[in-house]
Amino acid sequence: DAGVIQSPRHEVTEMGQEVTLRCKPISGHNSLFWYRQTMMRGLELLIYFNNNVPIDDSGMPEDRFSAKMPNASFSTLKIQPSEPRDSAVYFCASSLARTGDDEQFFGPGTRLTVL
Amino acid sequence: GENVEQHPSTLSVQEGDSAVIKCTYSDSASNYFPWYKQELGKGPQLIIDIRSNVGEKKDQRIAVTLNKTAKHFSLHITETQPEDSAVYFCAATTNQAGTALIFGKGTTLSVSS
Repeated sequence: DAGVIQSPRHEVTEMGQEVTLRCKPISGHNSLFWYRQTMMRGLELLIYFNNNVPIDDSGMPEDRFSAKMPNASFSTLKIQPSEPRDSAVYFCASSLARTGDDEQFFGPGTRLTVL
Repeated sequence: GENVEQHPSTLSVQEGDSAVIKCTYSDSASNYFPWYKQELGKGPQLIIDIRSNVGEKKDQRIAVTLNKTAKHFSLHITETQPEDSAVYFCAATTNQAGTALIFGKGTTLSVSS
């Protein structure tokens, strides 16, 4: 397997624009996680899905953020409208287990810069 | 909810020395404690984990110890090498459905030769 695939790897956009980040988890994995990483706040969980259903979205900063998982092989994280403080590296991860106590496989991340 | 504190935030050692990173957690229900390594420009990768039914686990040069009474766990790296230079994250969670992994803020380890 190719591992977790994320696209794009880098995104530069202007404040107010819509941003869509994409993730393809490892085939057969049951859980998918979206994280945001910044120097100040470290690695923060935004949302996670289990069998395509959102389980915990308490980490989503505000209504400007939304995530979907229409099927087992694809998920998106959308920011609309984007703001400079959204600049960060966004990681997608997947795991085989339906609970949190299993190895998570991280993608390479998307570095987002909002000007 | 769970809160994980990690120390130190940066650690510099000479090649061949040992490195120790410590974490504390707040939720006594947590029973799974993984450690992830993140190299520059990459996503974190699991290097070792421990469950609450054991006190210590070792894998070659790395080991993790767990003290459930005190609610702290540590990563030990012996005979450090330059390729050990990276950011290390501890984390904690339970095996209950619906609970997520909570990460510490990370430790940047620099190994100089």
